[in-house]
Amino acid sequence: QSALTQPASVSGSPGQSITISCTGTSSDVGSYNLVSWYQQHPGKAPKLMIYEVSKRPSGVSNRFSGSKSGNTASLTISGLQAEDEADYYCCSYAGSSTLRFGGGTKLTVL
Amino acid sequence: QVQLVQSGAEVKKPGASVKVSCKASGYTFTSYGISWVRQAPGQGLEWMGWISAYNGNTNYAQKLQGRVTMTTDTSTSTAYMELRSLRSDDTAVYYCAADGSGTAPIYWGQGTLVTVSS
Repeated sequence: QSALTQPASVSGSPGQSITISCTGTSSDVGSYNLVSWYQQHPGKAPKLMIYEVSKRPSGVSNRFSGSKSGNTASLTISGLQAEDEADYYCCSYAGSSTLRFGGGTKLTVL
Repeated sequence: QVQLVQSGAEVKKPGASVKVSCKASGYTFTSYGISWVRQAPGQGLEWMGWISAYNGNTNYAQKLQGRVTMTTDTSTSTAYMELRSLRSDDTAVYYCAADGSGTAPIYWGQGTLVTVSS
């Protein structure tokens, strides 16, 4: 039961768009539209940014969007801002009432 | 507003047990399940399991089966996570999170640092 695969780091300049990928298998990402994304600033608890692949909780900026194709889900952040610098984790339902997280991606805003 | 307030930091010796509490407020406790997630120092998030606050049904991560027990007390809107036979690699921040049906942790507690050291 390996973690979902995310790039260790991504970076972008203010105003640009970046995309973070999350690759799983046909047993998790590929089988369920139950992928969520979390933002975590240093020393803080994670915050839900996207759920069910592409839905945004109330209060989350529409600069954050999610999608999925096959076994890979993606988080796109448009109009990068300094406060977006954080770690991002994907999470997928993996069947049998279990969840699986990705290894995390550190976003640097240049 | 939804709040989950966890118990304070713990230091335990190898082989001991720890029980972390998570008191919920701002919503009907039995409307959401509670997921537990841990994060070792400098590492990523690891899902530990989920408990229904409605009926107490539990699902645990396979690697923790036999060492972890999750419970709830609906009279105090509090969830508990007990981990036994602690090892040094159990050193982590432990989070509880309100999670409707065990598919996406929504509201998170502030975390509880558990340090396992001789």
